Formats: sequence, C-alpha cells, structure tokens
Amino acid sequence: DQQVKQNSPSLSVQEGRISILNCDYTNSMFDYFLWYKKYPAEGPTFLISISSIKDKNEDGRFTVFLNKSAKHLSLHIVPSQPGDSAVYFCAAKRGSGSARQLTFGSGTQLTVLP
Amino acid sequence: DSGVTQTPKHLITATGQRVTLRCSPRSGDLSVYWYQQSLDQGLQFLIQYYNGEERAKGNILERFSAQQFPDLHSELNLSSLELGDSALYFCASSVRAGATGELFFGEGSRLTVL
Repeated sequence: DQQVKQNSPSLSVQEGRISILNCDYTNSMFDYFLWYKKYPAEGPTFLISISSIKDKNEDGRFTVFLNKSAKHLSLHIVPSQPGDSAVYFCAAKRGSGSARQLTFGSGTQLTVLP
Repeated sequence: DSGVTQTPKHLITATGQRVTLRCSPRSGDLSVYWYQQSLDQGLQFLIQYYNGEERAKGNILERFSAQQFPDLHSELNLSSLELGDSALYFCASSVRAGATGELFFGEGSRLTVL
C-alpha cells in the first residue's frame, strides 16, 4: 500500500521554464511533508518542507504547495536550471516533536534541457 | 557532505551469503534509519534506532537485522541473500528532537547479489 505516490516517473523541462512535480498521499495523519533531491551516486538531500498548518512554503526558486483536502502537494521550480536535473522524492511523516521515519514516494526524474 | 558515513560503497556477493553494512551518523545525532531502494523504487523504510534501542520497524525481512552500538554507529546485517536483495541501502540520521523530521542521508551502499 503506497501511502505516498509520485505518478510521474520522469519530467523534461526546458531551461528557464517552470518545473512542477506532483505528489499525492493517502494517509490523513501525515502532518509534515518534505522534498528531497538525489543526484546519481549520492544520497538524497533535503530541499524544502511544509507543515500541514500551511499551504505554501517558498525558498528561493523552490516553492511547495500543499492542498490538504485533495491530499496533494507539488514542488515548483522557477526558473529551472540544468543543475536541477535529479530525482526528486516527496516524503511525509506523522507526529511532531521527535524525528520519525519518513514515508517516501517513488521519485520523479527531472531533466532540465539547456 | 551530509556527515553520515556508510561503508562499503559497493559490495558484490553471491546468493546465500551474509553481509554487514555499516553506518556512522552525524556527530550528535542519536537516531539512525535504514532505507532500501530497489531498482525504480522509492526508498523503503526498514528500521530505526534511537540511542541504541530499536524505535520503529518497517518492511524489514526476517533475514535482515540491525543494531546500534554505544558509539551510535549502526550495522545492518543481511543474511541468506537472494537476487532480489540487490539494492541501494541508505542510512540516515537525525537530531534528537527534530521537529521538522529532516533526515541526513549517507551516500548509500550498493549491494549486488549474483
């Protein structure tokens, strides 16, 4: 049972355009959501997060939107750069305070074309 | 550099064998998590340790076991290996009471079972 789903395994975008990566979840107990970026031969690295009390969080070129009623979140990258080419994982957790394990989606390979 | 160290980076072995993967968390982090990433799959949570004690278990097979030592490093033991165990195994660590749930990942250990 996949509680966090990324239905698009890959996405190609032209440099300078917007990249939109989508993620759906089924567990209504999830209250914190994160995006990780992974380059080949490296471990995932944290990119941006959002709490369920917000519907938007912005960090430079990266913005995450959360739609709780639809159990959907998205990551927008504007403008996209070739260095953004990587696998993007969304992840979710439930419970606050202590660090708990994250449930990850299967990832979306983003390719930004020069 | 996340500060999480995993060894070995690559391991090739035969079916039926046993291997041990090692992880040193970031300095000061008490929690260690193990994740498995099979081909075209997301990161599957295996097990979490906090300050030497098992905290949570995910989809970990009975052939697999883990432990966290007093110096906080952790080992993941995989026995009676099967072809399907070939995967990337990631270790991650987190701060003691990280409200954000952010995990810091090592570069992974790539296991190939022939």
